[in-house]
Amino acid sequence: AQSVSQHNHHVILSEAASLELGCNYSYGGTVNLFWYVQYPGQHLQLLLKYFSGDPLVKGIKGFEAEFIKSKFSFNLRKPSVQWSDTAEYFCAGYSGYSTLTFGKGTMLLVSP
Amino acid sequence: NAGVTQTPKFQVLKTGQSMTLQCAQDMNHEYMYWYRQDPGMGLRLIHYSVGAGITDQGEVPNGYNVSRSTTEDFPLRLLSAAPSQTSVYFCASRETSGREFFGPGTRLTVL
Repeated sequence: AQSVSQHNHHVILSEAASLELGCNYSYGGTVNLFWYVQYPGQHLQLLLKYFSGDPLVKGIKGFEAEFIKSKFSFNLRKPSVQWSDTAEYFCAGYSGYSTLTFGKGTMLLVSP
Repeated sequence: NAGVTQTPKFQVLKTGQSMTLQCAQDMNHEYMYWYRQDPGMGLRLIHYSVGAGITDQGEVPNGYNVSRSTTEDFPLRLLSAAPSQTSVYFCASRETSGREFFGPGTRLTVL
């Protein structure tokens, strides 16, 4: 079965620290991968997506993710987090015409 | 474009009551989805539709019905609400490129 797993449920960082959130997927073949962010009390917003091409994907707000096919991974990174990055982050993916599968989310708390 | 809209934003039901969560999109997307979001569970797919007149079950369909009479609308019906259905419900539509657009959500509490 298709699945997406996120390594950490909670991450706490200080401002200016670097961020890496892990995501692994279990799809075969062509895969489409996403990172979404959900700020407190708000709905999901797309941070970035990978469909094909350059495996290093740049998204909004200084986030980027790297697709590593050999590791089935799509980790999210940001060199220096801000307090305003406090949110829940979801990795998601689908293959072919399948439905989108979400990871369980990582809650990021950035302390000022 | 309004994107994906959902009503109501908040709802409180008593066990056994029925209700319909409304979802509409004005982007002419064929694919539409209903998810529920629960703490620590991520988003789980309830039902989805690949076009008008075509629906299918997702991961957690029990207790919910959907219909898709038009491309724009994809209502979710709770037949007999249960406390286990207390959740935040998101509707989404998918464009041909694969990107999904999410509605603002409906926070449902079942007492």
